[in-house]
Amino acid sequence: ETGVTQTPRHLVMGMTNKKSLKCEQHLGHNAMYWYKQSAKKPLELMFVYSLEERVENNSVPSRFSPECPNSSHLFLHLHTLQPEDSALYLCASSQSLRAETQYFGPGTRLLVL
Amino acid sequence: GDSVTQMEGPVTLSEEAFLTINCTYTATGYPSLFWYVQYPGEGLQLLLKATKADDKGSNKGFEATYRKETTSFHLEKGSVQVSDSAVYFCALSSSGANNLFFGTGTRLTVIP
Repeated sequence: ETGVTQTPRHLVMGMTNKKSLKCEQHLGHNAMYWYKQSAKKPLELMFVYSLEERVENNSVPSRFSPECPNSSHLFLHLHTLQPEDSALYLCASSQSLRAETQYFGPGTRLLVL
Repeated sequence: GDSVTQMEGPVTLSEEAFLTINCTYTATGYPSLFWYVQYPGEGLQLLLKATKADDKGSNKGFEATYRKETTSFHLEKGSVQVSDSAVYFCALSSSGANNLFFGTGTRLTVIP
């Protein structure tokens, strides 16, 4: 596979469930990102990782927990979510932390019931 | 803080019509400016970019010129096709920032 892949593509979960989103990049990049895309709102940056170290956490609730075990993989662990967390979650990567071009995965469409 | 404002959609055009999607920005310093496109069921893809004032980015018939005096980066295409139907995002990258700042996106639908 090439580029940035995300699994699952669609996820429905109850508020008491625990689930994880997975992102994998096959581009040899050193920086990875999680974004939240909600209708009629700008993309919200959630987390930034550079060389597996978290460098930014934009006031995201603790019910979202990222994990970056290596430079190719990024996870978003979900626990006790709220209905307003329903959105498209996008993963992206870039060559380095301040490289201007980011490459996005197709996203995971999350519905919290 | 840094931000991007783009015209709200949706925009519906007939094939071969002229397209303009407005984008203005607020930033300190000298940001780089981008247009990303999101086709149905896919992630965002870089469409074009400009890194300094008066630069023109272009790709696939789309163009945008970095206008510092009006803090704008409007997207244009002379003749749209049905395959251009997508959501278009304006974005900026400030020097020293770790991320891109995106607009809300503008949905374009082109009808035959």
